[in-house]
Amino acid sequence: NAGVTQTPKFRVLKTGQSMTLLCAQDMNHEYMYWYRQDPGMGLRLIHYSVGEGTTAKGEVPDGYNVSRLKKQNFLLGLESAAPSQTSVYFCASSYSLLQGAIWNTEAFFGQGTRLTVV
Amino acid sequence: AQSVTQPDIHITVSEGASLELRCNYSYGATPYLFWYVQSPGQGLQLLLKYFSGDTLVQGIKGFEAEFKRSQSSFNLRKPSVHWSDAAEYFCAVAPRGYSTLTFGKGTMLLVSP
Repeated sequence: NAGVTQTPKFRVLKTGQSMTLLCAQDMNHEYMYWYRQDPGMGLRLIHYSVGEGTTAKGEVPDGYNVSRLKKQNFLLGLESAAPSQTSVYFCASSYSLLQGAIWNTEAFFGQGTRLTVV
Repeated sequence: AQSVTQPDIHITVSEGASLELRCNYSYGATPYLFWYVQSPGQGLQLLLKYFSGDTLVQGIKGFEAEFKRSQSSFNLRKPSVHWSDAAEYFCAVAPRGYSTLTFGKGTMLLVSP
């Protein structure tokens, strides 16, 4: 009963290095998201995907790229890390189920990845 | 664009006292509304959600929230707070039929003995 799993949990990068964060979900959800959480800022949407092979920009996409080659995985890439990208990153997945006239939906979150860029 | 305001950054409540966390949203129509809780070092857990119907919604851990359309509010309440409720609470909105959540900046709840 894994739910949403993020890898790695912690990472320290030097400015200019690249890395990929992996998110995997085992709930067969169509939708997946990457958020970043900074103190006093809440969670802000970076990129999201509404299905395998699709991606879209969120509120703060600059400096990040994503890919959704498989339905269960959503990768977040940093091509050239900057100190401003120091943050906690959360992946989420969700379903959207039509029940009568209402779309029932709920997002499930991973445990987060704490990234420090020095 | 939708937005969410949580006016209180920190709230301290005595154990056993009642709690109300405020949330106001800005959106053209009635959105989907959610409350999430985050314990230190953890991910987010859904407390409750509102889509339509009865404006008083019951959630897990004894929480409830009331949707007031006239005030564009979705305040979270609990009649008696326990020390284990100390955490950060986030209100979120999503357009109807979609799951792209927009979060408030959060309210940190501290529980005093």
